[in-house]
Amino acid sequence: NAGVTQTPKFQVLKTGQSMTLQCAQDMNHNSMYWYRQDPGMGLRLIYYSASEGTTDKGEVPNGYNVSRLNKREFSLRLESAAPSQTSVYFCASSGLAGSHYEQYFGPGTRLTVT
Amino acid sequence: AQSVTQPDIHITVSEGASLELRCNYSYGATPYLFWYVQSPGQGLQLLLKYFSGDTLVQGIKGFEAEFKRSQSSFNLRKPSVHWSDAAEYFCAVGIYGNKLVFGAGTILRVKS
Repeated sequence: NAGVTQTPKFQVLKTGQSMTLQCAQDMNHNSMYWYRQDPGMGLRLIYYSASEGTTDKGEVPNGYNVSRLNKREFSLRLESAAPSQTSVYFCASSGLAGSHYEQYFGPGTRLTVT
Repeated sequence: AQSVTQPDIHITVSEGASLELRCNYSYGATPYLFWYVQSPGQGLQLLLKYFSGDTLVQGIKGFEAEFKRSQSSFNLRKPSVHWSDAAEYFCAVGIYGNKLVFGAGTILRVKS
């Protein structure tokens, strides 16, 4: 049981380049999330998907887009990367009956934009 | 607005000493509260959670936390710290829409 997987683990981009971060979960969860983690700021929600077919903005959505491809997969796209998007990105999922808000996290993607 | 405050950015304790990490939240309704731990280069792992009932909750790795509604606090404790507990610890509150709001984190250093 892999849980939440993310690819790639590391990425270096030049300013203006685009890329997609991939996330998949095998726990049959309904909800999926993308966060960014910056030193001293904890995790901030970028986008989330409460269920297949829906997506909503979180706290810091500017410069990002998402796609909930199916129940398992939720991708995050940077159309034109900026140095301010240098961060560690985490995907999470939740939604087992009785688990309320408990979220399960992937290992993260460390992105550097030069 | 909902928020979580972890007043201590860094804490250093000696191995074998007790630990308390502080967490205060701001949320209008009955909170769902969580503590997560992040080891260097890793994702977040759930330590424990509070939904209702007994205000003292037990988690993994010997951690416990106490919910105090009157103080809007959910402090994490461990009676005897091990070197492997060195990590960053995040407190979080569950809000509407099945979302979490995280604190800024507390980095725990353990000295031998």
